[in-house]
Amino acid sequence: EVQLVESGGGLVQPGRSLRLSCTTSGFTFRDSGMSWMRHLPGKGLEWVGFIRNKAYGGAAVYGASVKGRFTISRDDSRSIAYLQMDSLKTEDTAVYYCTRDGRGTNSYYFDCWGQGTLVTVSS
Amino acid sequence: DIQMTQSPSAMSASVGDRVTITCRASQGISNHLVWFQQKPGKVPKRLIYASSSLQSGVPSRFSGSGSGTEFTLTISSLQPEDFATYYCLQHNSDPLTFGGGTKVEIK
Repeated sequence: EVQLVESGGGLVQPGRSLRLSCTTSGFTFRDSGMSWMRHLPGKGLEWVGFIRNKAYGGAAVYGASVKGRFTISRDDSRSIAYLQMDSLKTEDTAVYYCTRDGRGTNSYYFDCWGQGTLVTVSS
Repeated sequence: DIQMTQSPSAMSASVGDRVTITCRASQGISNHLVWFQQKPGKVPKRLIYASSSLQSGVPSRFSGSGSGTEFTLTISSLQPEDFATYYCLQHNSDPLTFGGGTKVEIK
């Protein structure tokens, strides 16, 4: 069974940092890309960014609202994806999800999501 | 960036109704479109991928169609468990972009 579990959310002051983790099991993590999404309160879903698997270079790309502040990384030995969030703003308050993203490789993209972790940015 | 315009933003419907939701892309995205269902406080659930492929385990009353710039999600006979918010997502090019969502409520 595929499982993704986010952790690391919480209350943080504007300008501070937070690191989210996405611990996975049940699929070959090293062969898969991973995306982070977020659900803004009272609004819709937003794509945060994506990291490719190492076979495709392992690079990450980001949405405009987080580019330069957020960094996605991965540890294939532990099957974990990370979202490092720096210079947090109040508008980053959201539930953050990780999702498997095998686009270009297979049909296993955005089919499995974690349960989400709430990040609240407030003074 | 590709803009996804989803309509309607909200609708009221009755059990048994046929429901159609549309997403229009600001430029061609081939069939690189996914539809999700999200209920309050729950994780988004993939219903349709590659514009028209039904996710395993999703009831056959859900269907997707379209290519290029116009896409449709159809629920052939609305059931009580289908009252939710639906989103489209284009993944043809970065940044990936969602439609604004369609909230389907009980009439």
